Amino acid sequence: AQSVSQHNHHVILSEAASLELGCNYSYGGTVNLFWYVQYPGQHLQLLLKYFSGDPLVKGIKGFEAEFIKSKFSFNLRKPSVQWSDTAEYFCAGGDGGSQGNLIFGKGTKLSVKP
Amino acid sequence: DAGVTQSPTHLIKTRGQQVTLRCSPKSGHDTVSWYQQALGQGPQFIFQYYEEEERQRGNFPDRFSGHQFPNYSSELNVNALLLGDSALYLCASSRPLWKETQYFGPGTRLLVL
Repeated sequence: AQSVSQHNHHVILSEAASLELGCNYSYGGTVNLFWYVQYPGQHLQLLLKYFSGDPLVKGIKGFEAEFIKSKFSFNLRKPSVQWSDTAEYFCAGGDGGSQGNLIFGKGTKLSVKP
Repeated sequence: DAGVTQSPTHLIKTRGQQVTLRCSPKSGHDTVSWYQQALGQGPQFIFQYYEEEERQRGNFPDRFSGHQFPNYSSELNVNALLLGDSALYLCASSRPLWKETQYFGPGTRLLVL
């Protein structure tokens, strides 16, 4: 069955620390991958997406993610976090080749200490 | 450019009742998807509407039904509410092309007592 899993439930970092949030997927065939962010009191927003091509994807606000097919991973990274990055981050996968439903991980809450 | 809007923002119902949630898609979008987000969980896909028809459905019982209107807005109906239906219900809209991003609304928080 298709699934997306996120390793960390809650990550606490100090400002300027580097960030890496893990995401693994289980899909047969082609997969589209996404990272969404939910800031406190706001709705889900797209950070970045991968459909095909360059496995290193750059998104908004300095975030990037790398698609590693051999590891079934799509980890989110940021070299230096800010207090304003405090939010919940969701990894999601979609069946490649169709515009269908997304399967979300359970989310990782990131708290950045000023 | 208005994004995805949902109404109401909050709702309290009792077990056995029925509820209708509404969604207006982002301008230019004609595909609407509904998700349920339980506390501490990621969103879970309920169904997707395109051209006023249900195109895909997740693993939800028939108590969950929907509708899409000619103006692309959509409703989610839940009958015979259970305590476990308490959740944030999210609507997402997109264009039907397969590489299009889904944009999410703020959600409707439903509490079933």
